Amino acid sequence: GQNIDQPTEMTATEGAIVQINCTYQTSGFNGLFWYQQHAGEAPTFLSYNVLDGLEEKGRFSSFLSRSKGYSYLLLKELQMKDSASYLCAVITGGGNKLTFGTGTQLKVEL
Amino acid sequence: GAVVSQHPSRVICKSGTSVKIECRSLDFQATTMFWYRQFPKQSLMLMATSNEGSKATYEQGVEKDKFLINHASLTLSTLTVTSAHPEDSSFYICSARDLPGLEETQYFGPGTRLLVL
Repeated sequence: GQNIDQPTEMTATEGAIVQINCTYQTSGFNGLFWYQQHAGEAPTFLSYNVLDGLEEKGRFSSFLSRSKGYSYLLLKELQMKDSASYLCAVITGGGNKLTFGTGTQLKVEL
Repeated sequence: GAVVSQHPSRVICKSGTSVKIECRSLDFQATTMFWYRQFPKQSLMLMATSNEGSKATYEQGVEKDKFLINHASLTLSTLTVTSAHPEDSSFYICSARDLPGLEETQYFGPGTRLLVL
């Protein structure tokens, strides 16, 4: 079966840096996504990793290690609006299907 | 960027009635669309994969006769919840995948919140 683990909740301070980890054990792997989801809204795309290494996009960076089944999302210069759920998702099953982790609820405080 | 719309955004219905939800890709053609369900404080669960011009592929445990999917064109997929019951109340989200490209990115619609009384 598919197993994707993330911490349930995290709290960080405005202006700080936070790292959200994701470990996965899946049958097949064709890439890993990070999505941001605010309460009551649909997920929005943050990053996509298919090769090992770090991908940087402004305040957000995502890292992947395929051999370790591990990824993290790094958020810098945290802002209050970054308070949201962050979803790790792996493409499995022939390159189409997205399997989501349980999501990490991030709370940014003053 | 790619835009996906859903309609309606919110619907309340009586138990036993059917509800149709539309998912449209506005600025790209989507050969494949996906339907997810999300219960409060839980992650997204894939219900089915909708392929243009062919039958949908349902995930294990999802009743195909209860959740009817039609993908009649490259920009529209519909999900019909038949004989809805209170336990079907959930947040239904569709996503669309652009024609095969370098990335496998799925773009999500804004979701439809269904409440069955």
